[in-house]
Amino acid sequence: DTGVSQDPRHKITKRGQNVTFRCDPISEHNRLYWYRQTLGQGPEFLTYFQNEAQLEKSRLLSDRFSAERPKGSFSTLEIQRTEQGDSAMYLCAEGDTSYNEQFFGPGTRLTVL
Amino acid sequence: AQTVTQSQPEMSVQEAETVTLSCTYDTSESDYYLFWYKQPPSRQMILVIRQEAYKQQNATENRFSVNFQKAAKSFSLKISDSQLGDAAMYFCAYRSGDTLAGSYQLTFGKGTKLSVIP
Repeated sequence: DTGVSQDPRHKITKRGQNVTFRCDPISEHNRLYWYRQTLGQGPEFLTYFQNEAQLEKSRLLSDRFSAERPKGSFSTLEIQRTEQGDSAMYLCAEGDTSYNEQFFGPGTRLTVL
Repeated sequence: AQTVTQSQPEMSVQEAETVTLSCTYDTSESDYYLFWYKQPPSRQMILVIRQEAYKQQNATENRFSVNFQKAAKSFSLKISDSQLGDAAMYFCAYRSGDTLAGSYQLTFGKGTKLSVIP
């Protein structure tokens, strides 16, 4: 796959541990999104950055979740004190309104035991 | 809030045949965008086709076309001459066109799993 990259691709952790995911966009698109996709569902919006500013957060994003985008380039999503319900695919996407399209990364699959 | 409904959890099509995937949505907005995304197994989601609500003409991209019925809030995807590589999850998605809406986040349906039979 080419384009937006995410690391790691898979993460297995024990309940209560902290995890951090990274997203590297492919260009200077100023908008970056995080989505969560659980089994049998479509992706659900978590949060959005315009450049380095986090401008919107979904109610799905509990206090245990934090996202950053320093310098408006790559982004990280951290989950503290993971719970089994956090098990999901976490997708990153970049977008520019002039293209009306979002380019998705391959996702990070999180399994919380 | 906008909602997107895909009523067909699974569909199958014979190779070289045509298949139509259904999508309905609910919104009070007049300006918006609709998308079909394809998610192959273990691979990243890619855009298949996009439709602007203000355009009456249905979008087409090679073997992919849509039937956009704005009044009925329906947005179906037709795949012609189906190929084995078309096998994937297909997601219908909605995006507000309101420039004050902020994030332009996508609202997705639950998806339709398409199988292509050789």
